[in-house]
Amino acid sequence: SAVISQKPSRDICQRGTSLTIQCQVDSQVTMMFWYRQQPGQSLTLIATANQGSEATYESGFVIDKFPISRPNLTFSTLTVSNMSPEDSSIYLCSVELAPNTEAFFGQGTRLTVV
Amino acid sequence: DAKTTQPTSMDCAEGRAANLPCNHSTISGNEYVYWYRQIHSQGPQYIIHGLKNNETNEMASLIITEDRKSSTLILPHATLRDTAVYYCIAAPGGGADGLTFGKGTHLIIQP
Repeated sequence: SAVISQKPSRDICQRGTSLTIQCQVDSQVTMMFWYRQQPGQSLTLIATANQGSEATYESGFVIDKFPISRPNLTFSTLTVSNMSPEDSSIYLCSVELAPNTEAFFGQGTRLTVV
Repeated sequence: DAKTTQPTSMDCAEGRAANLPCNHSTISGNEYVYWYRQIHSQGPQYIIHGLKNNETNEMASLIITEDRKSSTLILPHATLRDTAVYYCIAAPGGGADGLTFGKGTHLIIQP
């Protein structure tokens, strides 16, 4: 299994500012992902965080709005840039340890933009 | 990922078996059926997955039909702590592309 720590667990931010969310895993993992869960909705994949290269973004998500870093196999950050109230969501980090195995999720970062 | 269809909500009495259905009629040969659940305000938790054989672990059993077009997750003795949203996901083995979550089934265990 994998233990994932996300920081901060929650935050309230002013519109127009940026927030960086950290994801730390207790073991080296190949695959790391970032998801968004808007209020009352299911999870939506934002991007795959690639170690040593640019993240791979899903349709509807762009690097300028959600820059992602992955400096090593245990750590990643997601930045939500130039925030608006529509960015109020839970942001979750996820990892997979090996092919054909389950995904593990952090507890999420609950972001409120005012 | 193949689209999955689940009932929006279900009730089950505490102590009884909870049977959660999932339809995945367009599933591809290389796609596994994964089940996750999300208890309120927590990150999703893996439950079980399978390709074509039935699977059982300490949490649940997964029954996949022979044509693989549908499956059922069985929680053998539901407790109040099993109240959660349950997601059925059809995805290729390897997980290299992340997971596509549908709306899931809100399972409510009644005392």
